Amino acid sequence: GQNIDQPTEMTATEGAIVQINCTYQTSGFNGLFWYQQHAGEAPTFLSYNVLDGLEEKGRFSSFLSRSKGYSYLLLKELQMKDSASYLCAVRDSNYQLIWGAGTKLIIKP
Amino acid sequence: TAGITQAPTSQILAAGRSMTLRCTQDMRHNAMYWYRQDLGLGLRLIHYSNTAGTTGKGEVPDGYSVSRANTDDFPLTLASAVPSQTSVYFCASSDNTLAGGPDTQYFGPGTRLTVL
Repeated sequence: GQNIDQPTEMTATEGAIVQINCTYQTSGFNGLFWYQQHAGEAPTFLSYNVLDGLEEKGRFSSFLSRSKGYSYLLLKELQMKDSASYLCAVRDSNYQLIWGAGTKLIIKP
Repeated sequence: TAGITQAPTSQILAAGRSMTLRCTQDMRHNAMYWYRQDLGLGLRLIHYSNTAGTTGKGEVPDGYSVSRANTDDFPLTLASAVPSQTSVYFCASSDNTLAGGPDTQYFGPGTRLTVL
């Protein structure tokens, strides 16, 4: 079966750095996405990786290793507004997105 | 810009009743999707449409039907609701016409449905 694994919950301190890991086992790979979802709101797109390596976008970076079936989302200079769930999703060989259950990130002052 | 709108925002429905969840996008995206989101689970695809006039089944299609008469609208119908269909429903769309592009999905605000 297809599987996306992420930690259920993480806690970090305002101003710090946090890394959210995602491992996947899917039938085929056609890209990996990270989304942010605040409580009661819709998921919003953060980043996309299709080749190995690091993609940087301001305070957020995403890394991919296809050979290891592994990605991480790195959030720097954490702000209280970064408290949200972070969803990892992989596009499989049928071009459908397979979603992880999400990581709830709690930021403490 | 509106992006994607969904209606209603929330609904309480008696088991056995039918209901249509509405979804409209103004981005002229070819592809549209319906997901359900349940606590502790990832988003699960119910149905999708790659272009107007075509639809396909996702991971959890049973008990749901869709239609795609035009580019903008993608309604989801529950013919006879059951309590297990209590969930948050998200509609999404993407531009799947760019060869080699990410085909990023953009989400509507969601409909919170409770079936009693």
